[in-house]
Amino acid sequence: DTAVSQTPKYLVTQMGNDKSIKCEQNLGHDTMYWYKQDSKKFLKIMFSYNNKELIINETVPNRFSPKSPDKAHLNLHINSLELGDSAVYFCASSQAFSYTYNEQFFGPGTRLTVL
Amino acid sequence: RKEVEQDPGPFNVPEGATVAFNCTYSNSASQSFFWYRQDCRKEPKLLMSVYSSGNEDGRFTAQLNRASQYISLLIRDSKLSDSATYLCVVNGVNSGYSTLTFGKGTMLLVSP
Repeated sequence: DTAVSQTPKYLVTQMGNDKSIKCEQNLGHDTMYWYKQDSKKFLKIMFSYNNKELIINETVPNRFSPKSPDKAHLNLHINSLELGDSAVYFCASSQAFSYTYNEQFFGPGTRLTVL
Repeated sequence: RKEVEQDPGPFNVPEGATVAFNCTYSNSASQSFFWYRQDCRKEPKLLMSVYSSGNEDGRFTAQLNRASQYISLLIRDSKLSDSATYLCVVNGVNSGYSTLTFGKGTMLLVSP
């Protein structure tokens, strides 16, 4: 009964490949996110979806394409992987966008290594 | 100036010690504030929210100073299990929507 789950947990691939990471939440939340945590441990938001609609798209290369088939799922597809894409990618969800309260629940992360 | 700044540490303390972490944020329009905890190779988890009047949760006390744009976390009677990275998190506004901005975290190591 994991709240936010991601697959795969580890992903090792060659430069230039295309890969996808899947995320699912069973909390009934409306909002889902993708974050990237690089080697310096800096956690930075990439995308946010509210009710399957893209809300936030930070300055992320367009090789990254999120897709939300329904409220409970937010997948991340990455084309033409580069060395600099190596990082831990966290999916998260929250009940809704709120200015005053926005506890986010994180998935266990996907550790991507590009060789 | 970085949006959310923290001393990266590590803070090395013995069990039972009291330790304090500080954090500053740049966006004066920020609405709410949190401390998250991240264990090694794990996901971040909410530790506590930070309220304007200050708040306490067991051994943990959080303080907010909006005028100075400063947040603190105090841990009393440190336990070995408190060893982790503590992330200062600010809920601001991005393109009209609420968004969390994370500091880089302060690492705490509690030794026997």
